[in-house]
Amino acid sequence: GAGVSQSPSNKVTEKGKDVELRCDPISGHTALYWYRQSLGQGLEFLIYFQGNSAPDKSGLPSDRFSAERTGGSVSTLTIQRTQQEDSAVYLCASSSRGGQAHTEAFFGQGTRLTVV
Amino acid sequence: AQKITQTQPGMFVQEKEAVTLDCTYDTSDQSYGLFWYKQPSSGEMIFLIYQGSYDEQNATEGRYSLNFQKARKSANLVISASQLGDSAMYFCAMRSGGTSYGKLTFGQGTILTVHP
Repeated sequence: GAGVSQSPSNKVTEKGKDVELRCDPISGHTALYWYRQSLGQGLEFLIYFQGNSAPDKSGLPSDRFSAERTGGSVSTLTIQRTQQEDSAVYLCASSSRGGQAHTEAFFGQGTRLTVV
Repeated sequence: AQKITQTQPGMFVQEKEAVTLDCTYDTSDQSYGLFWYKQPSSGEMIFLIYQGSYDEQNATEGRYSLNFQKARKSANLVISASQLGDSAMYFCAMRSGGTSYGKLTFGQGTILTVHP
């Protein structure tokens, strides 16, 4: 596609349920990032995939959070046993060469997750 | 570890005036890139401008310019001739070399309001 696509755009879930958020990066982009943004706050890094390298999971807040990237393209962020503090906008981004300092990241529109 | 600091939670500017948004960074790497993104109320993240650590000249993109002072580790964004559509949240971000190459680290953001 022309840009980074995220689905769903909005998700309301009950506390304790599992959710899956999907990200379709720009075709050909080897690097993919997940960030979390709480209301009015900055972007909190979650996880970074670069090609076939092991992902950088250093930002995942707990073991309830996991992410996969299949075939070097689509990525799924899974949150198990959701809590109210997980409510936020989850942003996905991709870039053409993750290992280069000068490559900008292109962001999707985000998934707004609300845990009730 | 890399860190981005934006000390201005909010800024106000009159339409057609220039405004400077502050950003300081911390990294021990010699090779790094600095980015500015705009996030309007719609939530999308829009890439504005990039400055590389080895670039000798300040980056410019239309009405945006980056005042890069390497010794002071600052990368301030200057918006000239402000427009009402410039009202948004602005984020400074950095990608540096070394083991964390690839991960974009963001500041907390500055909310810019342009008055008519």
